Amino acid sequence: KNQVEQSPQSLIILEGKNCTLQCNYTVSPFSNLRWYKQDTGRGPVSLTIMTFSENTKSNGRYTATLDADTKQSSLHITASQLSDSASYICVVSRDDYKLSFGAGTTVTVRA
Amino acid sequence: SAVISQKPSRDICQRGTSLTIQCQVDSQVTMMFWYRQQPGQSLTLIATANQGSEATYESGFVIDKFPISRPNLTFSTLTVSNMSPEDSSIYLCSGSGQATNYGYTFGSGTRLTVV
Repeated sequence: KNQVEQSPQSLIILEGKNCTLQCNYTVSPFSNLRWYKQDTGRGPVSLTIMTFSENTKSNGRYTATLDADTKQSSLHITASQLSDSASYICVVSRDDYKLSFGAGTTVTVRA
Repeated sequence: SAVISQKPSRDICQRGTSLTIQCQVDSQVTMMFWYRQQPGQSLTLIATANQGSEATYESGFVIDKFPISRPNLTFSTLTVSNMSPEDSSIYLCSGSGQATNYGYTFGSGTRLTVV
């Protein structure tokens, strides 16, 4: 069973609208949680990274939250743009270098 | 942050042949990794590429099938050997170290189709 579960699997939103993606994890011991954006045919690009003590981190129109007690994270996209169409991957790392990847949420932004 | 150039970006190969994928980092990185990403799936770690020594493979992946080289701190190759259609996937390399601010920077991926 994957230690990082993302929901929804996919979503479609209209340009200018907001959306929130969810990530639940069971990885332990926890070191940090990252959100990546992966455009079709490209490698993942880091959006945010949060450690245990951080509960929110922003990168432009992307805001990530972390609740280390409930082992949940979310990624909020504000005022979506067509260029936000991509797969968003939640990645949790342990104290060693091993990463656990979620399957991703595919976001499609329509005009 | 470091930039990783990966090539080829895509290839269509005949079954039974081998393909070597290259990753070049524009700065030295301590660690390099190779992943496989099947459609709609998470990234799966194939192995950690160790400089000057044999790679460390994850369960389910073996050196004979996925030989890896890492001659220095900026370059690594992954070979997919004796390919079958089941090897059709996206292969990604990743690097981590001071040059990536200790995050993980990924190459752009190689989309492999085996026919």
